[in-house]
Amino acid sequence: ETGVTQSPTHLIKTRGQQVTLRCSSQSGHNTVSWYQQALGQGPQFIFQYYREEENGRGNFPPRFSGLQFPNYSSELNVNALELDDSALYLCASSFVPRGTDTQYFGPGTRLTVL
Amino acid sequence: AQSVTQLDSQVPVFEEAPVELRCNYSSSVSVYLFWYVQYPNQGLQLLLKYLSGSTLVKGINGFEAEFNKSQTSFHLRKPSVHISDTAEYFCAVSDGGGSNYKLTFGKGTLLTVNP
Repeated sequence: ETGVTQSPTHLIKTRGQQVTLRCSSQSGHNTVSWYQQALGQGPQFIFQYYREEENGRGNFPPRFSGLQFPNYSSELNVNALELDDSALYLCASSFVPRGTDTQYFGPGTRLTVL
Repeated sequence: AQSVTQLDSQVPVFEEAPVELRCNYSSSVSVYLFWYVQYPNQGLQLLLKYLSGSTLVKGINGFEAEFNKSQTSFHLRKPSVHISDTAEYFCAVSDGGGSNYKLTFGKGTLLTVNP
């Protein structure tokens, strides 16, 4: 059973640019959630994808968008990058419906915006 | 809306001492509760979870937590810590409603185990 993987591991961008982060879900999982973890903070929910559609969104602006593909992998896109977007971006996968609510996290992508 | 408060931002302890990391939550519905650990420059690893049933939950690496509904708490404990337990610990809550399993996290507690 393969775990959640994310790419790239590190990324440096400049303000105003666009970025795409990628996530492969754990084998057998059909739901992907994305979280932003700023330095010294707990992760904050960005959005969740289930059956290729957005299924819940946190308090993030529309320039944060995503996709889920038929193989359940996912992308997080951020347009018009701002300095405050610098953070660790975590992807988590789970299986719905099973009722266990357990999300398994990948190692994250560290994004630095200069 | 749900919220999680981790009462201590940092907890220093000596090796082989017991430790308790405190977590209180706020929610208007039934909840699922989780503790995750994050080692430096890594993602989150699930330590244990409470979904229903027994209020005492045992997890990996010798950790356990007790769900107390009346006090809305889910404190994490370990009777004897090791140097390797040094990490950031996050308490999280999910309302488990429908298919939207959003996790709301606390700000974390940095556990430092000293020799």
